[in-house]
Amino acid sequence: GAGVSQSPRYKVAKRGQDVALRCDPISGHVSLFWYQQALGQGPEFLTYFQNEAQLDKSGLPSDRFFAERPEGSVSTLKIQRTQQEDSAVYLCASSRGVQRANEQFFGPGTRLTVL
Amino acid sequence: DQQVKQNSPSLSVQEGRISILNCDYTNSMFDYFLWYKKYPAEGPTFLISISSIKDKNEDGRFTVFLNKSAKHLSLHIVPSQPGDSAVYFCAASVQGAQKLVFGQGTRLTINP
Repeated sequence: GAGVSQSPRYKVAKRGQDVALRCDPISGHVSLFWYQQALGQGPEFLTYFQNEAQLDKSGLPSDRFFAERPEGSVSTLKIQRTQQEDSAVYLCASSRGVQRANEQFFGPGTRLTVL
Repeated sequence: DQQVKQNSPSLSVQEGRISILNCDYTNSMFDYFLWYKKYPAEGPTFLISISSIKDKNEDGRFTVFLNKSAKHLSLHIVPSQPGDSAVYFCAASVQGAQKLVFGQGTRLTINP
């Protein structure tokens, strides 16, 4: 497909479990973003990659959150020792430019529920 | 602190009339603004954007107005259609930065 894809679409984890969320950006898009969206809120920035370089991780809420994009394409967001407050929709977005906040194309998100 | 605010959680408009969605921001360093539309179980999709050097941008039925002195922007949809029913987010970015700062969203319902 031509859009951003994310997997899994839904994930239920027990508190303390580690999870890994995958994002496949649009082919050729240099920039990749992760956002966290809590229920009833807007997306909140987590981290940003330009190719394989993680240029901004200021939004990661704790050191339990880790993101990587080793080959500059697919990205994985990993959450260790999940807590109930981690329950949210995790959105991935990609854009073709690097100069400014260009139009970002979003995936459908992964809904994480921590029990 | 919420740098981008959408104070109306919901809005109901009759089909064919104008829908006006509002957004306020506090960070004077924001120089680029975007509106996204979101259907349930889908990611946000880009609608329209505006740079701070402009005060209006139009694309078909959608027009965004920017009032920098008031730190306020609005999205006008004319005429409103049933397919416009969705949650609308405004977002902003600082010059040189890539990340977007989003508002809380406004749920728009178009009534037939």
